[in-house]
Amino acid sequence: NAGVTQTPKFRVLKTGQSMTLLCAQDMNHEYMYWYRQDPGMGLRLIHYSVGEGTTAKGEVPDGYNVSRLKKQNFLLGLESAAPSQTSVYFCASRFLGSGSPLHFGNGTRLTVT
Amino acid sequence: KQEVTQIPAALSVPEGENLVLNCSFTDSAIYNLQWFRQDPGKGLTSLLLIQSSQREQTSGRLNASLDKSSGRSTLYIAASQPGDSATYLCAVSSTPLVFGKGTRLSVIA
Repeated sequence: NAGVTQTPKFRVLKTGQSMTLLCAQDMNHEYMYWYRQDPGMGLRLIHYSVGEGTTAKGEVPDGYNVSRLKKQNFLLGLESAAPSQTSVYFCASRFLGSGSPLHFGNGTRLTVT
Repeated sequence: KQEVTQIPAALSVPEGENLVLNCSFTDSAIYNLQWFRQDPGKGLTSLLLIQSSQREQTSGRLNASLDKSSGRSTLYIAASQPGDSATYLCAVSSTPLVFGKGTRLSVIA
């Protein structure tokens, strides 16, 4: 059981370049999330999805777009990368319901130069 | 806006000691509270989840308590081991989860 898988694990971009981070979960979870983790700032929610075809903004959505065309996949896009988007990005998922714990991927370390 | 605070930011203890990590939150209207462990360079692993109607949860040497009225939770680790060294984060589920910044624990052999 793979759980939550994030690709790629590492990436270096130049300012203005675009990229897509892929998150895949094999647990049939309804809810999926994208977070960024920065030193001193903790984990901050970028976007989330409560089901296939639906997305919503989190705390820090600017500069990012997301799509959830299939239940098992949640894509995070950076259209024009900026140095401020240098961070570690985590995807997470869980079942619907307040008793369902959150499962995390191992993260993508992104550096924008 | 929900705010979650974890004190202390870092803690170093000798092996075998019992310890308590603290988490406080500002809005008591929560669905649940979760404690996570994060090892360096890794994602977060869920340790315990306490639903809003519960007062505590236990798993092995770990015990988490929740007092919604005072906006506090504690994670108790019994007989600490060097393998417990990690960063521990709490998160409260309003809509959606709000994380604290974590407590970095070092258990010295």
